[in-house]
Amino acid sequence: GAVVSQHPSWVICKSGTSVKIECRSLDFQATTMFWYRQFPKQSLMLMATSNEGSKATYEQGVEKDKFLINHASLTLSTLTVTSAHPEDSSFYICSAALHEQFFGPGTRLTVL
Amino acid sequence: QQQVKQSPQSLIVQKGGISIINCAYENTAFDYFPWYQQFPGKGPALLIAIRPDVSEKKEGRFTISFNKSAKQFSLHIMDSQPGDSATYFCAATAGGTSYGKLTFGQGTILTVHP
Repeated sequence: GAVVSQHPSWVICKSGTSVKIECRSLDFQATTMFWYRQFPKQSLMLMATSNEGSKATYEQGVEKDKFLINHASLTLSTLTVTSAHPEDSSFYICSAALHEQFFGPGTRLTVL
Repeated sequence: QQQVKQSPQSLIVQKGGISIINCAYENTAFDYFPWYQQFPGKGPALLIAIRPDVSEKKEGRFTISFNKSAKQFSLHIMDSQPGDSATYFCAATAGGTSYGKLTFGQGTILTVHP
């Protein structure tokens, strides 16, 4: 149990386009989901906390207009990277909170 | 104040040896300390976690030692195996829950040679 999925697992896009990443809790309902970004050989950096039915809370330095987060249901949160640029290329990981944080497998974003 | 400092950055151990990774924190509000294992291209997975009311927790080959006064905690992997080769992150959270906002350490790349 407590499985979290992400889709897509990897995506390549052109600079200036938008990309949506989905995070789903498959067998439980999650009031709270988290979005992280991880650059190669670095730690996970929390981007935002997403609560179902309310606006996401963004960490300092994360542009909320660039990284749009929607948590419309108890099993789905989405992260949209708007007007993506090469510096947005990273590994994006979500987690869903139950009695602990369960992490998704991550999404590799490459912006050309 | 929110940082969790982890060392070493990388660690090479022979099969059967003991791997030790250390973490230190400043924020005394932290009350839950998990360790995660991450394989390349995958999300992290919880290994073991501890609360500050105990000094040690053991699960199989994995042990957390916790020193509240020193604000330090460490992961010991006994009988290390090549399959343990991965990146390990310590983390901490506050607020009385085990699913709150996590602050991660910098990570340790563990390589276990056969």
